[in-house]
Amino acid sequence: GENVEQHPSTLSVQEGDSAVIKCTYSDSASNYFPWYKQELGKGPQLIIDIRSNVGEKKDQRIAVTLNKTAKHFSLHITETQPEDSAVYFCAAPSGGYQKVTFGTGTKLQVIP
Amino acid sequence: GAVVSQHPSRVICKSGTSVKIECRSLDFQATTMFWYRQFPKKSLMLMATSNEGSKATYEQGVEKDKFLINHASLTLSTLTVTSAHPEDSSFYICSATRETLHNEQFFGPGTRLTVL
Repeated sequence: GENVEQHPSTLSVQEGDSAVIKCTYSDSASNYFPWYKQELGKGPQLIIDIRSNVGEKKDQRIAVTLNKTAKHFSLHITETQPEDSAVYFCAAPSGGYQKVTFGTGTKLQVIP
Repeated sequence: GAVVSQHPSRVICKSGTSVKIECRSLDFQATTMFWYRQFPKKSLMLMATSNEGSKATYEQGVEKDKFLINHASLTLSTLTVTSAHPEDSSFYICSATRETLHNEQFFGPGTRLTVL
């Protein structure tokens, strides 16, 4: 099965700075990598995803990069704002139809 | 968008009782629904995969007689925690997928279960 590692577990940044969260995966056949944001007491929300046929995808202040050779992908948040504070999870397909394995999560704190 | 709802959002029950949690896809037909459990400050742990009209597939270590899953239609799946005990207290989250080539999952808001 897929093994997904996520770092760091916690991250504090000053408002306006950038935040980067990294994940590695083990299955070279994986082809879809979503990122989720989870606020306290709520379910995860998909914020961006990337397919294996591209190396980078951007959506306003959020971008994801993928390195298939090294089997890692990263979430980049620029110009961070206090409302970006949440727990972020990466995920990768884990065998079985439509199943994914989640990373361990990164608690991001944006300090005003 | 793809909206998934869960009901109830919060439930408190006595030990030994059963609790049913509903998961609905509001604006799309879900080919597959997943049920997760999340402990405080931890990641999501997949409990089972549910497909409409067929038996759920449980992950290793998850008791199927303890956590009953019914997927009656393409928009509704239910999770029943039977004979609940305090150790079953947790945050339960469902997700639903559409028939696409990829594994996009859309999550419900979660249900906080507290067993006294």
